[in-house]
Amino acid sequence: KQEVTQIPAALSVPEGENLVLNCSFTDSAIYNLQWFRQDPGKGLTSLLLIQSSQREQTSGRLNASLDKSSGRSTLYIAASQPGDSATYLCAPVANFGNEKLTFGTGTRLTIIP
Amino acid sequence: DTGVSQDPRHKITKRGQNVTFRCDPISEHNRLYWYRQTLGQGPEFLTYFQNEAQLEKSRLLSDRFSAERPKGSFSTLEIQRTEQGDSAMYLCASSLDRGQGSYEQYFGPGTRLTVT
Repeated sequence: KQEVTQIPAALSVPEGENLVLNCSFTDSAIYNLQWFRQDPGKGLTSLLLIQSSQREQTSGRLNASLDKSSGRSTLYIAASQPGDSATYLCAPVANFGNEKLTFGTGTRLTIIP
Repeated sequence: DTGVSQDPRHKITKRGQNVTFRCDPISEHNRLYWYRQTLGQGPEFLTYFQNEAQLEKSRLLSDRFSAERPKGSFSTLEIQRTEQGDSAMYLCASSLDRGQGSYEQYFGPGTRLTVT
């Protein structure tokens, strides 16, 4: 059974700093991995999808990397802004034909103005 | 608005009552998923559909839960004889299977259920 861990559980940083969020998963035989953000009481917003054949994916100030062999993914946020405050969740997909997402408990990020 | 929509956004019900939620996926998305999220936890997979076929159900989906997607478009999730432990956010997501291996899932705003 896939288990996902995100450390730290909570993180506060001053505005403008670069930061890294970590995600680890126990079963490295994944098909792809998706990063989401969730604002309090809201649904999930997809940020990035990394295919298992890729090592990283970029969108604006966000860069996600994937190392399947070590069961790790990181989300790098450059030049953080108060609007980046949210909970960030990573979710690996088990394999082709089984697209259910497995989530950890996320990292709650607070950007201090 | 072309995103995933869910209705209602909030539902308060008394223990023992039945409730039904609706999800409208992004137009032309052939895959539809249901997840449940309790406070402080990540979402947990419940079930998913490819068109109208229900392909997988989690063991979390007890016999009080039933999901349908009769015409391969919108889906409903029904909970019978609700219990307080059913209180959660119910999230719907959809994706498009192009047969090329990229199944990015897009989520709706969720339905928050409170069972009193």
